[in-house]
Amino acid sequence: GAVVSQHPSWVICKSGTSVKIECRSLDFQATTMFWYRQFPKQSLMLMATSNEGSKATYEQGVEKDKFLINHASLTLSTLTVTSAHPEDSSFYICSPQPDGNSPLHFGNGTRLTVT
Amino acid sequence: AQKVTQAQTEISVVEKEDVTLDCVYETRDTTYYLFWYKQPPSGELVFLIRRNSFDEQNEISGRYSWNFQKSTSSFNFTITASQVVDSAVYFCALPANQGGKLIFGQGTELSVKP
Repeated sequence: GAVVSQHPSWVICKSGTSVKIECRSLDFQATTMFWYRQFPKQSLMLMATSNEGSKATYEQGVEKDKFLINHASLTLSTLTVTSAHPEDSSFYICSPQPDGNSPLHFGNGTRLTVT
Repeated sequence: AQKVTQAQTEISVVEKEDVTLDCVYETRDTTYYLFWYKQPPSGELVFLIRRNSFDEQNEISGRYSWNFQKSTSSFNFTITASQVVDSAVYFCALPANQGGKLIFGQGTELSVKP
């Protein structure tokens, strides 16, 4: 069965609104959560890394005030896209890491469309 | 710097043909992992394999096989007797550092026609 649960699978929102995406690790405790973004016909690019109980680390070019990440527990991390714009339309996917090794599993992704 | 190159953007084959997807990487690490993932049209990433750089033996899993050549920094993926259900985008990936975040190649879109 699934080891990572990501919700919602897809969401359509209007410009200026905020959208929250949840990612849960079901079978293990995730000390670290990676959030990736994938634009159509492109590869996955890491947006940010969050560690449970501390602030997230953002990759260059990713606005931390726009993409709010909360990693309040070892099984749940959330990504909130604030004041969404059409250019934020993308596929967002999480990947929890249980230990020091590279993670094997990803959430099923959230397809965000901003109109 | 860590880098993964998948030179083949798109490949189209007819069912039952064998197909090889190329992956070339660059890494500053002496030990590392390499990954392959499948992304079907529905979007989810399906883990296929994780290979430790210590192990250079080729691996076979059903119709899938992987050829790891450390001397040429390549980790190629072959699908034997391809099927329509193999149609997907395939990504090769390498950890950016010891922390676990992945650097993905550009992906190869495989189309298997009946």
